[in-house]
Amino acid sequence: NAGVTQTPKFQVLKTGQSMTLQCAQDMNHEYMSWYRQDPGMGLRLIHYSVGAGITDQGEVPNGYNVSRSTTEDFPLRLLSAAPSQTSVYFCASSYGISGVNEQYFGPGTRLTVT
Amino acid sequence: AQSVTQPDIHITVSEGASLELRCNYSYGATPYLFWYVQSPGQGLQLLLKYFSGDTLVQGIKGFEAEFKRSQSSFNLRKPSVHWSDAAEYFCAVGEGEYGNKLVFGAGTILRVKS
Repeated sequence: NAGVTQTPKFQVLKTGQSMTLQCAQDMNHEYMSWYRQDPGMGLRLIHYSVGAGITDQGEVPNGYNVSRSTTEDFPLRLLSAAPSQTSVYFCASSYGISGVNEQYFGPGTRLTVT
Repeated sequence: AQSVTQPDIHITVSEGASLELRCNYSYGATPYLFWYVQSPGQGLQLLLKYFSGDTLVQGIKGFEAEFKRSQSSFNLRKPSVHWSDAAEYFCAVGEGEYGNKLVFGAGTILRVKS
């Protein structure tokens, strides 16, 4: 199993551009989520999904969209990039929706918005 | 909303010395509690978790943590630190109906000196 994969690893955007961060898992996990990591703030939840066709907002959803058309994929879309979205983005997945299930994290995407 | 506090931003210990990383949380009921480790440029790896039962939990890489309800704490310990333990450590609490929405502390960077 490849686990949780994220592409790209690095990305530079100009303010106002849009892009999609890709996340895929091959473990047949129901639950997937996106976090952003900023220095001194730990990780903060952006959006999550408890299954295909079901998504919900986390702590910091503004400026981001998600969809879950398949169990495997959970892309994160930046509609109009802003410098405040410069961050490292992590995707995570787990087998079930219960907190008792371990969440597996991808390697991250480092995004810079100029 | 729940919150997690890691009071120490940086900790330096000598190789072979013992380690304790502090974590305090705010939550009314018994929380889902986690410790993750992040090596530079990598994703997060779960060290251990607590949901219920024995308040002393064992994890991977020789780490353990103790849940103390009276102190709202979940401190991470290791009796003898190795140079390879140098990394950033995050305490997290599971929020929401299923405990799957993680709220992270700001992290503690561990440096190991030889």
